[in-house]
Amino acid sequence: GAGVSQTPSNKVTEKGKYVELRCDPISGHTALYWYRQSLGQGPEFLIYFQGTGAADDSGLPNDRFFAVRPEGSVSTLKIQRTERGDSAVYLCASSLLQGPFGPEAFFGQGTRLTVV
Amino acid sequence: QKEVEQNSGPLSVPEGAIASLNCTYSDRVSQSFFWYRQYSGKSPELIMSIYSNGDKEDGRFTAQLNKASQYVSLLIRDSQPSDSATYLCAGPGAVFAGANSKLTFGKGITLSVRP
Repeated sequence: GAGVSQTPSNKVTEKGKYVELRCDPISGHTALYWYRQSLGQGPEFLIYFQGTGAADDSGLPNDRFFAVRPEGSVSTLKIQRTERGDSAVYLCASSLLQGPFGPEAFFGQGTRLTVV
Repeated sequence: QKEVEQNSGPLSVPEGAIASLNCTYSDRVSQSFFWYRQYSGKSPELIMSIYSNGDKEDGRFTAQLNKASQYVSLLIRDSQPSDSATYLCAGPGAVFAGANSKLTFGKGITLSVRP
């Protein structure tokens, strides 16, 4: 597709379970970002990939969170032992790193994660 | 201090008025900034980017960047009810290859345009 695609759009899981959230960026975009957003707040940075490598993972809250992008395209955000506080909308964005105005990032529709 | 701050809002303006949204940042070497619009229940949508001092106009939208004072503004002229949304400021963005281009977002300003 032409835009950033995230699956699933909604995920309800029980506390303590493992979840994977998938992001398929815009074709050709080398940079990929994961954010999470809670109600009434701006997107909170989690991790940023340039190609296959994580250029900055300083936003991952703890070691239960991990993300990969093995082939430089699709990325998966993995959350182990989920907690109720992990409930949020997880947003993925991609950009051309060398665009004329810098990294104009385009977002997917998000995955709403609810931990019960 | 957070990298990008939006401390005002919510903002309510009558239809046809000019809405002015402001954002400050802490990094003096910041390059480019972005304004996103987010409708309730939707994901952020890029509406403006700016990396030079001064004004950049696109239709009813004008972005202003003042690097000396470290602020970014978005002006919406002839505001319409359809402009009612949360506006997010994001930055800084590097414009050179190999640089860390992590974008930090402000918390957003909610704009309501009254018919």
